[in-house]
Amino acid sequence: DGGITQSPKYLFRKEGQNVTLSCEQNLNHDAMYWYRQDPGQGLRLIYYSQIVNDFQKGDIAEGYSVSREKKESFPLTVTSAQKNPTAFYLCASSIDRGRGRLNQPQHFGDGTRLSIL
Amino acid sequence: KNQVEQSPQSLIILEGKNCTLQCNYTVSPFSNLRWYKQDTGRGPVSLTIMTFSENTKSNGRYTATLDADTKQSSLHITASQLSDSASYICVVCHSGGYNKLIFGAGTRLAVHP
Repeated sequence: DGGITQSPKYLFRKEGQNVTLSCEQNLNHDAMYWYRQDPGQGLRLIYYSQIVNDFQKGDIAEGYSVSREKKESFPLTVTSAQKNPTAFYLCASSIDRGRGRLNQPQHFGDGTRLSIL
Repeated sequence: KNQVEQSPQSLIILEGKNCTLQCNYTVSPFSNLRWYKQDTGRGPVSLTIMTFSENTKSNGRYTATLDADTKQSSLHITASQLSDSASYICVVCHSGGYNKLIFGAGTRLAVHP
């Protein structure tokens, strides 16, 4: 069954600690994204990657880092520099080639909820 | 400023009734408009995607409309079921290169028996 797997489902961070959220997809999608969702707000883009070994900052990249060493994987690290990390983090992927690429849906994982201890 | 506004913020209806959710946007240049359904604690799932030239699209009991002139969209749910209880998110794709999406804050729908 093709899809996006995020782990863990729940994560707790201690002050000064870096934590890494996992995102794996087996949809053979080129592009992958990380979003942050806060109550009462729309999703906000943290980072995105259109191809292996390349990624771009989104609207709220400060305090976060990513890597894209494999097509299937796009882990997100929440660093100690992110002072308000409590949120629901969503990973997504999409086809990113061909004439209709802008009209392709983004497929989402089921999220990781990060809280501060 | 590129924005997507949804109304109402929340809505309660009885099972079997119809409802309509609204979305206004100011995104430009526009590529397409999407509606997603998000169950509590889960990721959003795509319901419809409409381009500039489409003014209606259906997915089962869900029908989305788009008026690109007034920059408004609606999502109509027919014969609601308890499983329709979720947040419904309107998303506009900004045709500025990569697949940049502008998300509304969502309408939280509760369907009661």
